[in-house]
Amino acid sequence: DTEVTQTPKHLVMGMTNKKSLKCEQHMGHRAMYWYKQKAKKPPELMFVYSYEKLSINESVPSRFSPECPNSSLLNLHLHALQPEDSALYLCASSQPGTVSGNTIYFGEGSWLTVV
Amino acid sequence: AQSVTQPDIHITVSEGASLELRCNYSYGATPYLFWYVQSPGQGLQLLLKYFSGDTLVQGIKGFEAEFKRSQSSFNLRKPSVHWSDAAEYFCAVGGRGNEKLTFGTGTRLTIIP
Repeated sequence: DTEVTQTPKHLVMGMTNKKSLKCEQHMGHRAMYWYKQKAKKPPELMFVYSYEKLSINESVPSRFSPECPNSSLLNLHLHALQPEDSALYLCASSQPGTVSGNTIYFGEGSWLTVV
Repeated sequence: AQSVTQPDIHITVSEGASLELRCNYSYGATPYLFWYVQSPGQGLQLLLKYFSGDTLVQGIKGFEAEFKRSQSSFNLRKPSVHWSDAAEYFCAVGGRGNEKLTFGTGTRLTIIP
């Protein structure tokens, strides 16, 4: 069982809606990630938070807004999305500064459909 | 620049047969290598990883992988596959202090009875 939990598992939203995806990790990790995965494609990195600070933004459109309230929580706020944003959104975590710090553990994902 | 190539898009094997999934990487420093498995509709599960030391690493579910620096390869193997192994398999490369993990395009594994 994964120790990275994501809610909701499924989300359908209109293009004018505002919604949020939530992620919680129970491993004491200090780095958290958002990935986007389209069907039959590998995950694509969106954002990285390290020690609660945004360290990587892969030129993601501003309609996606990440937030890291504390070391175990990560949110992705969604606003004015487009149908092409429909995808599986994966949260992940790792522990930086350790020998195995690059080992990234993923949650089960949130399926987003934009209508 | 770092990259991963998984040359096989789709592989079909019979249940009980052996399996090898290929992975070639490009990385400018010492690579950290990973294999993940993704069942339909699920997230990615870590199968195994290589950082240093013994070049043959054991993972979960009976999988193993061998790091060959001279060939820039990290192939995944299993001696006898089970129907439950049907899934998408991703190879990935990163490095020490590098938060960016680069994934290959994946290999879809189908198991036939």
